[in-house]
Amino acid sequence: LAKTTQPISMDSYEGQEVNITCSHNNIATNDYITWYQQFPSQGPRFIIQGYKTKVTNEVASLFIPADRKSSTLSLPRVSLSDTAVYYCLVGDTYNTDKLIFGTGTRLQVFP
Amino acid sequence: DVKVTQSSRYLVKRTGEKVFLECVQDMDHENMFWYRQDPGLGLRLIYFSYDVKMKEKGDIPEGYSVSREKKERFSLILESASTNQTSMYLCASSSWGSGTLYNEQFFGPGTRLTVL
Repeated sequence: LAKTTQPISMDSYEGQEVNITCSHNNIATNDYITWYQQFPSQGPRFIIQGYKTKVTNEVASLFIPADRKSSTLSLPRVSLSDTAVYYCLVGDTYNTDKLIFGTGTRLQVFP
Repeated sequence: DVKVTQSSRYLVKRTGEKVFLECVQDMDHENMFWYRQDPGLGLRLIYFSYDVKMKEKGDIPEGYSVSREKKERFSLILESASTNQTSMYLCASSSWGSGTLYNEQFFGPGTRLTVL
């Protein structure tokens, strides 16, 4: 069961790029890396997922080095509305119940 | 869009009461989950169901039970509510390997339960 470690909190200013790194040293061959975002008083929502190298969508980019022992969520030009908690999860398709959300990283964006 | 709804946004109950939290999803998902979220502890899995009438314990099942009689509905039951069950309860659903998105869970808005 791959455990993840991420910073408890981060601060940024509007317009800056934010990179949140997640450590997952015992990631398994079949594991994917998934990031969720949670706004106050809402449930988490999926933002991006990857297996290796780089994945980009309209919201974020995910960088995964060759050894896959860590990953970095990159949010380009953040705005106040990106203030949220970001969770890094590691798991495979067939062990849905083994996903652990942990406490996430609380990102605060200032004007 | 996938929609996961929960029966109440806020609920206040008294110690010892039996409490039912209902969750309904409209996307024919096989998997459904119940989490609780507490400050400093993140989301913790209470129970998980991968099919009708099937259930698996999560990390903190004590004091809870679940029911899944229909595919779209997953109920969390607190047999005798206690003050330490005051929390935010989140329901989620997912499908088996939907395209390239493995394990994507869709969450409901949550129910904030207060037990007095």
